[in-house]
Amino acid sequence: EPEVTQTPSHQVTQMGQEVILRCVPISNHLYFYWYRQILGQKVEFLVSFYNNEISEKSEIFDDQFSVERPDGSNFTLKIRSTKLEDSAMYFCATQGTSGSYNEQFFGPGTRLTVL
Amino acid sequence: AQSVTQLGSHVSVSEGALVLLRCNYSSSVPPYLFWYVQYPNQGLQLLLKYTTGATLVKGINGFEAEFKKSETSFHLTKPSAHMSDAAEYFCAVSGTSNSGYALNFGKGTSLLVTP
Repeated sequence: EPEVTQTPSHQVTQMGQEVILRCVPISNHLYFYWYRQILGQKVEFLVSFYNNEISEKSEIFDDQFSVERPDGSNFTLKIRSTKLEDSAMYFCATQGTSGSYNEQFFGPGTRLTVL
Repeated sequence: AQSVTQLGSHVSVSEGALVLLRCNYSSSVPPYLFWYVQYPNQGLQLLLKYTTGATLVKGINGFEAEFKKSETSFHLTKPSAHMSDAAEYFCAVSGTSNSGYALNFGKGTSLLVTP
């Protein structure tokens, strides 16, 4: 069964450093999302991406965050200057069109620890 | 805007007992509703979804949920709990735009199954 993959599984970084989280979507999926889950809290939407542009973003997704699909396969989330409060599990999700309409498939997540 | 409220952050049932996890939604448009399960240190897995049609939907692992518009509810049930059902359960709502809408999650309910 096709699945969403994410790398790395765990990233430790120093405050102020840039990090890039990577996601490989399910083939032929067209909609991409990033969510985060701070330890013990609910899953929060960050951003959605469709047709090579951001289609929706939350208040969390400020200028420190960016997304891109550089090579037509990977979907990346960049945090320019990490803060302690960015420590969380980051999930990528992808979505197809007909057939699996509106079902988002989640990756296993990247645990980001900012020291 | 769509939102969901999950009643009860922790639910404990005995093995073999009925599982009932409550979810109420708020939406200005007909919603798409979802239940996801998260096992420890894993990503989110879709249990079931309601988009249109039959209001009683069946999912994986013996779970089902009923969409009740009059009560704005989408409670998750399972007739007989297994030890393996112990996990975090998230109710989520999204809009129905063809551009793909973000999922708005509830705070989650942690299900404990006791022998």
